[in-house]
Amino acid sequence: NAGVTQTPKFRILKIGQSMTLQCTQDMNHNYMYWYRQDPGMGLKLIYYSVGAGITDKGEVPNGYNVSRSTTEDFPLRLELAAPSQTSVYFCASSYSADRADEQFFGPGTRLTVL
Amino acid sequence: AQTVTQSQPEMSVQEAETVTLSCTYDTSESDYYLFWYKQPPSRQMILVIRQEAYKQQNATENRFSVNFQKAAKSFSLKISDSQLGDAAMYFCAYKGGATNKLIFGTGTLLAVQP
Repeated sequence: NAGVTQTPKFRILKIGQSMTLQCTQDMNHNYMYWYRQDPGMGLKLIYYSVGAGITDKGEVPNGYNVSRSTTEDFPLRLELAAPSQTSVYFCASSYSADRADEQFFGPGTRLTVL
Repeated sequence: AQTVTQSQPEMSVQEAETVTLSCTYDTSESDYYLFWYKQPPSRQMILVIRQEAYKQQNATENRFSVNFQKAAKSFSLKISDSQLGDAAMYFCAYKGGATNKLIFGTGTLLAVQP
């Protein structure tokens, strides 16, 4: 199993550009999550999904969109990139939302908006 | 709202020595889980150890153990026989409540001196 994979690993965007961060998991997990990690801070939840076709906002959703057409994929779309979106983005997945369930994380995407 | 606080931005330990990382949290819930995640320079988030709030016995995973004080809302991580590979950012996280989402602290950067 590859686990959770993310592409790209690094990206530089200009202000106003758009891009999609890709996330794929091969563990047949129902739940998927997008987090951002700013310097000196913990991870904050952007969006999450409880299954194909179902998504919901997390703590910091503004400026982002998601979709979940398959169990495996959970892309994160940035529209009109802003410097405040410079961050490291992590995708994660878990089998359920049970408190005991471990979330498995991808390797992250470092995004810089200039 | 639940919060997680890690008051030690950086810690240092000599190889083979023991170090304790602190974490406190605030919640009105009685049923929840606490986690310690390790983030090495590769950025990959790795689960180190988890603790269920209803279990009085402290969790242990090889050289890693926790001191869980429910009344004090404290959840410290003890690393014994520290190794160079333990050098990383360590995040304390809480999961519980109505949303059951992971809430992270700001992290402690651990350096291991040879």
